[in-house]
Amino acid sequence: RKEVEQDPGPFNVPEGATVAFNCTYSNSASQSFFWYRQDCRKEPKLLMSVYSSGNEDGRFTAQLNRASQYISLLIRDSKLSDSATYLCVVNGGSGGSNYKLTFGKGTLLTVNP
Amino acid sequence: EAGVAQSPRYKIIEKRQSVAFWCNPISGHATLYWYQQILGQGPKLLIQFQNNGVVDDSQLPKDRFSAERLKGVDSTLKIQPAKLEDSAVYLCASSRGLAVYNEQFFGPGTRLTVL
Repeated sequence: RKEVEQDPGPFNVPEGATVAFNCTYSNSASQSFFWYRQDCRKEPKLLMSVYSSGNEDGRFTAQLNRASQYISLLIRDSKLSDSATYLCVVNGGSGGSNYKLTFGKGTLLTVNP
Repeated sequence: EAGVAQSPRYKIIEKRQSVAFWCNPISGHATLYWYQQILGQGPKLLIQFQNNGVVDDSQLPKDRFSAERLKGVDSTLKIQPAKLEDSAVYLCASSRGLAVYNEQFFGPGTRLTVL
């Protein structure tokens, strides 16, 4: 099983659609979970942290299921500006320390007018 | 507040040549990271410093890659000799403390092409 595995994508959706991204992780000892956003040819930027109780930030909702080692990101009422690659990030990974962050491959979202 | 600075932004070299990248983190950030991002992949951590000490370098190919952060501020990453498969974007990031508890801020990256 890959350390962090995401939906392969790409996702193409119309404006206003709801889209969900899924991510699974292999290290059951992981404690910190994040979603980062990366625009084309730009650096990644933190979108939101993911908490055990689930959390919401405007149109974005993140959920964590520790038992299934599964993380999700839901975007409601998608905007053209949401077009980007969404990276699932988890602490820990094979070898190394639990302070290291492991990134998934990312899922590309294109929102169409 | 100034962001993470990196230079150069682009570099083209031939295989077996050497190359060095420079990073200046956000002022006051104790933790500095170097990532390699190959096209179509997520960033992969190469090395993580806490002040001037190494926290994690388990994925750094030490036969050809080296990095230092001598005074706990700026950092350099070197590749010697470069291989074709080193073509990637090299991202530097910094955070106030360890990124499992603090947001990581990334620089714009250095795009390396090895011919």
